Amino acid sequence: GENVEQHPSTLSVQEGDSAVIKCTYSDSASNYFPWYKQELGKGPQLIIDIRSNVGEKKDQRIAVTLNKTAKHFSLHITETQPEDSAVYFCAASRDAGKSTFGDGTTLTVKP
Amino acid sequence: GAVVSQHPSRVICKSGTSVKIECRSLDFQATTMFWYRQFPKQSLMLMATSNEGSKATYEQGVEKDKFLINHASLTLSTLTVTSAHPEDSSFYICSGTDRGYGYTFGSGTRLTVV
Repeated sequence: GENVEQHPSTLSVQEGDSAVIKCTYSDSASNYFPWYKQELGKGPQLIIDIRSNVGEKKDQRIAVTLNKTAKHFSLHITETQPEDSAVYFCAASRDAGKSTFGDGTTLTVKP
Repeated sequence: GAVVSQHPSRVICKSGTSVKIECRSLDFQATTMFWYRQFPKQSLMLMATSNEGSKATYEQGVEKDKFLINHASLTLSTLTVTSAHPEDSSFYICSGTDRGYGYTFGSGTRLTVV
């Protein structure tokens, strides 16, 4: 089955700096790669996603890049703000099937 | 955007009783609903996958007689924890998708069994 590894497990940045979280996956058939933000006591919220036919996608301060050959994808958050502090999960899936999640990254943005 | 309404958000029950958790897709048809369990500071663990009108597919190690899943309509799926015990205490989350066009998560249910 699919295996997703996520790094780092914790990340602390100063407000205004950029944050990068990386994930690798094992199943070359995976074609959908979402990123979720989870705040304490809440369900994950989709913040950005990318499909395998695209290499990069951007939405304001958030961007995701995908390297299909290397089987890795990354989340980039620029101009970080304290409200970006949360746990971020990457995931991989294919053809509307079940998602495999990374172990999560706890991001702390210090004011 | 797509919304999945999950209730209750918190529930405390006595050991041996059953608890039902509901997830409703409000503005889309959830052809598939995934049910997850999450322990503190850990990732989401898939428990089962249910397609509307058919029996759920459970992941290895998940007791199907203990965690009953019903997906009778395209907008409603339920998870019933039967004969709950303290070790069933956890955060349960559902996620619905309409044929894979994105996955929308519910807000989660914190179950505490005393």
